[in-house]
Amino acid sequence: DADVTQTPRNRITKTGKRIMLECSQTKGHDRMYWYRQDPGLGLRLIYYSFDVKDINKGEISDGYSVSRQAQAKFSLSLESAIPNQTALYFCATSDSVQGLGGANVLTFGAGSRLTVL
Amino acid sequence: SQKIEQNSEALNIQEGKTATLTCNYTNYSPAYLQWYRQDPGRGPVFLLLIRENEKEKRKERLKVTFDTTLKQSLFHITASQPADSATYLCALVSGGYNKLIFGAGTRLAVHP
Repeated sequence: DADVTQTPRNRITKTGKRIMLECSQTKGHDRMYWYRQDPGLGLRLIYYSFDVKDINKGEISDGYSVSRQAQAKFSLSLESAIPNQTALYFCATSDSVQGLGGANVLTFGAGSRLTVL
Repeated sequence: SQKIEQNSEALNIQEGKTATLTCNYTNYSPAYLQWYRQDPGRGPVFLLLIRENEKEKRKERLKVTFDTTLKQSLFHITASQPADSATYLCALVSGGYNKLIFGAGTRLAVHP
């Protein structure tokens, strides 16, 4: 099984619908992130969480919300989806105390492709 | 404004040659810089990390350099193989909490 699992892998929805993307991890990492990837723009940080009670906005949080249900679970919600939220979404994790001397190395899930019509 | 720039054009090289990818940044002073590989339809995978006090880091056929004066990192793949074809992303830490900021990536195509 994958260390970081995202569901669903693909989703097509309509404008105005509420969508939830889920992420679970077996790495035992305390930090979790949501990024979106658009062609030519790279990965942009939406939200991040450094423990269950810590949620922080990234550079593009408008239109999104998150929930850290447990150390291993971090979900991303689009309350009312719009077409420009069509993108590839990645969940990632990292360990606050890790072997590379505190460097923040990310482990990514396989991605969730969301299409908003 | 802060920018991380990678060559948006694909790099096409012949098998066996050395591929060199560039990552330039402005208005950052990162303590370290990372390189990731991303295959189509998959999440990025960590390859190498280099710290600001290191000039060069190697791992098998991979070599990364980091010039904090030029604000540039170079990523080299020697003796390239078709299996090295992928998109390569650079990332650096920004601000508090060690948040990683990514470049848009450069696609590498190695031809037999």
